[in-house]
Amino acid sequence: SQQGEEDPQALSIQEGENATMNCSYKTSINNLQWYRQNSGRGLVHLILIRSNEREKHSGRLRVTLDTSKKSSSLLITASRAADTASYFCATDLLSQKLVFGTGTRLLVSP
Amino acid sequence: GAVVSQHPSRVICKSGTSVKIECRSLDFQATTMFWYRQFPKQSLMLMATSNEGSKATYEQGVEKDKFLINHASLTLSTLTVTSAHPEDSSFYICSARAPTGQGRETQYFGPGTRLLVL
Repeated sequence: SQQGEEDPQALSIQEGENATMNCSYKTSINNLQWYRQNSGRGLVHLILIRSNEREKHSGRLRVTLDTSKKSSSLLITASRAADTASYFCATDLLSQKLVFGTGTRLLVSP
Repeated sequence: GAVVSQHPSRVICKSGTSVKIECRSLDFQATTMFWYRQFPKQSLMLMATSNEGSKATYEQGVEKDKFLINHASLTLSTLTVTSAHPEDSSFYICSARAPTGQGRETQYFGPGTRLLVL
């Protein structure tokens, strides 16, 4: 399977703390994207990082990409209860298909 | 940003019936749409790539005769689950690639359709 893996599978933190999620993938990519999904809902695109980029920021989000290790991380700083959701990385393959990782369920407690 | 809608949002049907799910790009034309399936607490698995005006491309292990895809226009793709069985119960999500340009790398996802087959 080409599916990427994320860790941790689940993460429980307090409001104000930072949350870090990691994603590993298997094949060459055009870019890597992070998505958020609230329970039973559709996906929301968070951030895209291209294969020639190493780090990207968007608000409280920071994404890194290490193509030599085929890995990426998503950092959410100063987390809020509203950040509670599942987070998925998705690799945009050279075939232009998106392959999703296994996901991290984040719970932020007030 | 671009908006993708799905209809219906939820459907319950009896085993053996067929169910059609629509995916529409509301404010842009999408030559390519994608259909995913997501089981509870699992990730999204790509089922097929829907190409406007041509046959869909199915992923390995996905039965094309069971999951019929039609992409008749630049704004509409449909997925029909034929002779549905309880194991087909799942969350089906479509997506569409953004129009040409730098934003083309982004896929916009519909809100999903929850199918329950009794």
